[in-house]
Formats: sequence, C-alpha cells, structure tokens
Amino acid sequence: NAGVTQTPKFRVLKTGQSMTLLCAQDMNHEYMYWYRQDPGMGLRLIHYSVGEGTTAKGEVPDGYNVSRLKKQNFLLGLESAAPSQTSVYFCAIKRLAGGSRGIDEQFFGPGTRLTVL
Amino acid sequence: AQSVTQLGSHVSVSEGALVLLRCNYSSSVPPYLFWYVQYPNQGLQLLLKYTSAATLVKGINGFEAEFKKSETSFHLTKPSAHMSDAAEYFCAVSPSGGSYIPTFGRGTSLIVHP
Repeated sequence: NAGVTQTPKFRVLKTGQSMTLLCAQDMNHEYMYWYRQDPGMGLRLIHYSVGEGTTAKGEVPDGYNVSRLKKQNFLLGLESAAPSQTSVYFCAIKRLAGGSRGIDEQFFGPGTRLTVL
Repeated sequence: AQSVTQLGSHVSVSEGALVLLRCNYSSSVPPYLFWYVQYPNQGLQLLLKYTSAATLVKGINGFEAEFKKSETSFHLTKPSAHMSDAAEYFCAVSPSGGSYIPTFGRGTSLIVHP
C-alpha cells in the first residue's frame, strides 16, 4: 500500500470522544475517498473529495466530517463517537492506470481499525 | 444509478477445485467493472478490471472474469483454487463517464479447504 498511508492504525474511543483519522498520499492525485467496512456490508462511501478544498457526501456521511485543506491529506473527523461507528476505515485515491489507454482505478490504504466503547 | 450484487456471502471450495464468485451489476450507463481482493487485516488490492476493450479479462494470481452484457454479470473464476486464495473478494462498478464514484458489493468470503 505504498503511497497511501493512514494514521492511526488502531484506536479505541469512548462514546462521545472525538478523533481525526488522517489519510496522506504522496502521488498528487485529485480524488480521495473515505470508506467504512463492516461485516456483511462491503465498503460504504462516507465522503469523498475531487480536489483540494472540495468535499462531498457519500452514502453514509452522518456523524462524520472531512477536510481537504492540502491536496496530499484527507482528514476524517468524528466529533462525538458512537458505538455504531465501530468499523474499519479505508482511505483510497483514484489513479489512472495503463497509460493513455488506461482507465481510472482506486488504490487503497491499509486501514484504521476503530472501536467505540 | 448503479448497484452490485454478489451472490453468496461465503463460498467454500477444495484446493484444486474451480473457483466461481458471482457478481451482477446494474448501471444506467456503460460500466467499468472491477474485482478487488482483501487478505486478512489488509487493504483492498485490484485483481482485474473490465474497460470494454475485451469481454474476458485476465487478472493477477490466475483469476479471470468475463463481462456478459446480456446477463449483466461479471463473474470471477479461477480454474484451480490454492490455499493462498482464501480471502474476501469485492466486485465494484463505476460509470464510464462523469465523477469516479465506484459502488462496491457486499463481498464474498472464499474459503479453501485442503
């Protein structure tokens, strides 16, 4: 997963606490995404960004906020954590593969495992 | 609008047997289709992708998938399963134009028995 890093790798929170997850990329890509993965639910899009200073809601945005102040970083915030936010969080970027005849594909970070008690 | 259905949350095969993981999609525009694999405690990595260049797509680790427009399917196959293939597999669809916002299926866990 070189090129997309996520911090922290693990975290345990108490209900009501806040935290920020950091996704950093060193490849100058425009699109970045935050997903959550839950058993039997696949990956669900929380928020995404199509460029520095822009963000948009995905499928499950409630309870989360994001910021993309720098192109390289996409932050996911939980203002008041709830047990329902216990999940594995993945960041991804969009990259063009295969040269001029290629298509976009996503490249994922290693994930952050969050437990909210 | 787009969606992906993966039939079977778990698939169990014996080592050396054929692997078949099913994926059906719906899309209002011509789609791009993807299969990703996730090994335990890791992120997702791309197995293969359909870009309309060829209906039979070959990926890494001996996997391949065939795009069938009439059946709206993109099933993943491997002729002979290996123990190292045990993982979670995700099918994803993205429209071929506009913003790149893929939709993922719920995943299929492949179990390989010795």
